[in-house]
Amino acid sequence: DAKTTQPNSMESNEEEPVHLPCNHSTISGTDYIHWYRQLPSQGPEYVIHGLTSNVNNRMASLAIAEDRKSSTLILHRATLRDAAVYYCIRTLYNQGGKLIFGQGTELSVKP
Amino acid sequence: GAVVSQHPSRVICKSGTSVKIECRSLDFQATTMFWYRQFPKQSLMLMATSNEGSKATYEQGVEKDKFLINHASLTLSTLTVTSAHPEDSSFYICSARSTGAQETQYFGPGTRLLVL
Repeated sequence: DAKTTQPNSMESNEEEPVHLPCNHSTISGTDYIHWYRQLPSQGPEYVIHGLTSNVNNRMASLAIAEDRKSSTLILHRATLRDAAVYYCIRTLYNQGGKLIFGQGTELSVKP
Repeated sequence: GAVVSQHPSRVICKSGTSVKIECRSLDFQATTMFWYRQFPKQSLMLMATSNEGSKATYEQGVEKDKFLINHASLTLSTLTVTSAHPEDSSFYICSARSTGAQETQYFGPGTRLLVL
């Protein structure tokens, strides 16, 4: 199964770090891990992606386990605007780079 | 990040009519575009993959004669829902990608279709 496993929901306090976990135990060596987030009635927004090494950008950090079977998206300081559904997705390289969305994690941020 | 637009953003139509949705990559050339459908409280479901200048590849269970996809240029793909019925009411989202299967997909804002 190409889908990843994520908790259905998580809660965070504003200004605190958030660690969103993801399991992808069947990932192949050429599949990237992409993270997107989606606000209600909007298209998904790209957050970050990686293959093996940890990655940082202005939005978040991505920590990838050494065996690549899991990863964690880190939001360093959650804001109310970070409340969204976060999707962790394997990019199926051998299937033309298809993204197969799971149910994602609904993140709520409390003021 | 790259910008992808969709038009229209919302459409209401009568049962039996056809509806065309456009997806454009505004600042890059998209060799591959994808079409998704999302029902309320559910995740995105991939419908089809289209490559510029060739026929679309549909996912299992998606009727290719009902959901016509045309990727005529490197910046435009269209999805036509033919003979729409109320059960086709959904949120349709496209994404676009430049070269390479490992490249990032950028999503459009979505089109809300309501079939009466």
